[in-house]
Amino acid sequence: EAGVTQFPSHSVIEKGQTVTLRCDPISGHDNLYWYRRVMGKEIKFLLHFVKESKQDESGMPNNRFLAERTGGTYSTLKVQPAELEDSGVYFCASSPLGYNEQFFGPGTRLTVL
Amino acid sequence: AQSVTQLDSQVPVFEEAPVELRCNYSSSVSVYLFWYVQYPNQGLQLLLKYLSGSTLVKGINGFEAEFNKSQTSFHLRKPSVHISDTAEYFCAVIALSSGSARQLTFGSGTQLTVLP
Repeated sequence: EAGVTQFPSHSVIEKGQTVTLRCDPISGHDNLYWYRRVMGKEIKFLLHFVKESKQDESGMPNNRFLAERTGGTYSTLKVQPAELEDSGVYFCASSPLGYNEQFFGPGTRLTVL
Repeated sequence: AQSVTQLDSQVPVFEEAPVELRCNYSSSVSVYLFWYVQYPNQGLQLLLKYLSGSTLVKGINGFEAEFNKSQTSFHLRKPSVHISDTAEYFCAVIALSSGSARQLTFGSGTQLTVLP
């Protein structure tokens, strides 16, 4: 069974540009989470989808971040326009409904210059 | 709100020595507790979890952790480490508050380096 996959693994962009990160959860997992780790600090929650609905987006830093999960399968996280402080590693995780363990992807390392 | 404190950011230890990685948490509600490990260039992998029952939980790769409710701690231990245990370890909690929110709150991580 394939795990959670994320694309790209690395992205280097300039301030002001747009970047879209993609997450493919484990097939059948209705819960999908996005987290971010900035410069060696704590991994912080961004938002949570249940199927295609946003269950909790309290961790989204500002309106430059837009997450979608059309059809309840893969999810995208767009940053527009990117700022220097957006640099970090973005993790995606998924789990079945009612399950406490979350399965993580390898992350996307975003560098904004 | 809840928070997790990992008291050591770096822990160097010689191969075959025992190790303890410390984790304390703060929460106004009950929590589930987790330890995740991140090997270089890989995603986070679950080591072990405490949901209920016995306070001593065993995980993969010979690791174990003990939940201490009075001290709000969940320290991770291994009696004899290997070079391959070199990785970053994260303690995390899920708060059992009302609603279905199940996001993890993480500590800042502990880099374990096993020396030959």
